Amino acid sequence: EAQVTQNPRYLITVTGKKLTVTCSQNMNHEYMSWYRQDPGLGLRQIYYSMNVEVTDKGDVPEGYKVSRKEKRNFPLILESPSPNQTSLYFCASSFGGSALDTQYFGPGTRLTVL
Amino acid sequence: KQEVTQIPAALSVPEGENLVLNCSFTDSAIYNLQWFRQDPGKGLTSLLLIQSSQREQTSGRLNASLDKSSGRSTLYIAASQPGDSATYLCAVTNQAGTALIFGKGTTLSVSS
Repeated sequence: EAQVTQNPRYLITVTGKKLTVTCSQNMNHEYMSWYRQDPGLGLRQIYYSMNVEVTDKGDVPEGYKVSRKEKRNFPLILESPSPNQTSLYFCASSFGGSALDTQYFGPGTRLTVL
Repeated sequence: KQEVTQIPAALSVPEGENLVLNCSFTDSAIYNLQWFRQDPGKGLTSLLLIQSSQREQTSGRLNASLDKSSGRSTLYIAASQPGDSATYLCAVTNQAGTALIFGKGTTLSVSS
């Protein structure tokens, strides 16, 4: 089944404890991105990747890192999480190397930072 | 800077009713517009993608229209069903083609 998977789905952590949210797609998509969704603010892009080893900042990149060593994986790293990073996170992918094609989203990761 | 607005924020209708969800954007220079559905605890599912050169797209009971000059799109849902209850989001691609800019969504509730 063609899909985008994220792990973990739910995570409660404490301030400053490094964590990684994994994202994997099995559709051979070139483009991948991360969004966060917050009440009243909607979905905002954190980082995106147009291909392996090509990543760039979105609208809200502060406090996050990403890497794209393989085409299928695009992990989101929070090196020192803070309470303002409590949010619902979504990974997305699409076939072409941009956001112009139909975007496929993962199921989301709900992160709480205490 | 592109902004996307969806009105109303919430809508309740009885089963069987036809309904229209609205989306407006401030910059008419868009590549395309996508409509998504979001169910609680689940990710976003793409419903329709309309290219900037198109006027409308149809999928089953859904019909999306696009009027670039007025900065508007509508999602028409025919013969609504309780299973249509969800939050509907519209999004346009930014000028660089690197991100989607989302509206805040319309939460639809269809009662049986």
